[in-house]
Amino acid sequence: DQQVKQNSPSLSVQEGRISILNCDYTNSMFDYFLWYKKYPAEGPTFLISISSIKDKNEDGRFTVFLNKSAKHLSLHIVPSQPGDSAVYFCAASSATSGTYKYIFGTGTRLKVLA
Amino acid sequence: EPEVTQTPSHQVTQMGQEVILRCVPISNHLYFYWYRQILGQKVEFLVSFYNNEISEKSEIFDDQFSVERPDGSNFTLKIRSTKLEDSAMYFCASSRQGLAGNTIYFGEGSWLTVV
Repeated sequence: DQQVKQNSPSLSVQEGRISILNCDYTNSMFDYFLWYKKYPAEGPTFLISISSIKDKNEDGRFTVFLNKSAKHLSLHIVPSQPGDSAVYFCAASSATSGTYKYIFGTGTRLKVLA
Repeated sequence: EPEVTQTPSHQVTQMGQEVILRCVPISNHLYFYWYRQILGQKVEFLVSFYNNEISEKSEIFDDQFSVERPDGSNFTLKIRSTKLEDSAMYFCASSRQGLAGNTIYFGEGSWLTVV
């Protein structure tokens, strides 16, 4: 099941610079997307969401962009901080399909270098 | 800030034994979920639960698995006869809404090792 893909397994960024994490999906029925941050041996921590009726959502240092025609979303972290080093997952769901489940990507490990 | 809590944090069990993983969802949430992550793999949906019944389950959630809300606060996942391939991190989650833009909040996870 490769409906949600995060093609970059890892990313390194200098502290203070922008981190851009990408996510692609194949199911055009997906209409709600979440980004999570996860530290080893801990549960995913919710960061930010976006509905398919929007193309951008911002919360502090985190901004998510959605390009529906390209079936692509990205998470921007500005400025990046060493504490942002973690694995980031995108997850997608389709409320209109009547499903409760989220499909997760494989994650991107972000390392912010001090 | 309210959070989902899970116990135990780590359990080692013999193959064939029954395991119960426990969760206390966020208090005003109505929808409850179990997900799991096998080491090195994706987070996968197992089951969703609302109004004291399963609302959706994945193909992973076979007859060996069951969920229950035994009282007003706990939500449990039972694996009846564990297999080696059940070794994974199991995450409980909850949300206030079900469909239509529900943000789900995860617990810290229960790491299950089947030997």
